[in-house]
Amino acid sequence: SQQGEEDPQALSIQEGENATMNCSYKTSINNLQWYRQNSGRGLVHLILIRSNEREKHSGRLRVTLDTSKKSSSLLITASRAADTASYFCATDGSSNTGKLIFGQGTTLQVKP
Amino acid sequence: SAVISQKPSRDICQRGTSLTIQCQVDSQVTMMFWYRQQPGQSLTLIATANQGSEATYESGFVIDKFPISRPNLTFSTLTVSNMSPEDSSIYLCSVTGTGYNEAFFGQGTRLTVV
Repeated sequence: SQQGEEDPQALSIQEGENATMNCSYKTSINNLQWYRQNSGRGLVHLILIRSNEREKHSGRLRVTLDTSKKSSSLLITASRAADTASYFCATDGSSNTGKLIFGQGTTLQVKP
Repeated sequence: SAVISQKPSRDICQRGTSLTIQCQVDSQVTMMFWYRQQPGQSLTLIATANQGSEATYESGFVIDKFPISRPNLTFSTLTVSNMSPEDSSIYLCSVTGTGYNEAFFGQGTRLTVV
């Protein structure tokens, strides 16, 4: 079964608003990654946060990680219509094999 | 980072036939993986493609159904054999490399079995 759970499953906001997506996982990790998928295409890597990091920024993206709660959040600020996509978190399950365990994903719709 | 070319991007196939998907990376990478994404679902790992040896399959996936080759560090193929409509999914190639932990993905192959 998938390790990650994400909420909400779907999110609809107006352009300019912020979008927050949450991810929970079950086992210890080395790192956690966030991906974007547009219209069932390939995954675009957004950001990687290591288990010893608590927060990371990349442009309009802010990711937090709470290993004590086994959870992470992705914040997209000042959203744009082009941010409309599905967002997935993925963990390595503390292995060094490169295998990823994906959450169920959040579908974000940003209305112009 | 790595640039991944995956072919074909989409295909419609008859049940009972097989389709081979190719994954080409622009640089030598350590690990290559194949994932499946069923309609409306998240990604599930099919197998790790091992260079020069048999792939390592995850629970629920078998070599007879999903034979995988990896003849060198930059190329791999996944075959979906004896297809049925239940195999309709997006299949994605993924790589990680020495010096970086991020996993990068190809554009995926959208397979429809009729």
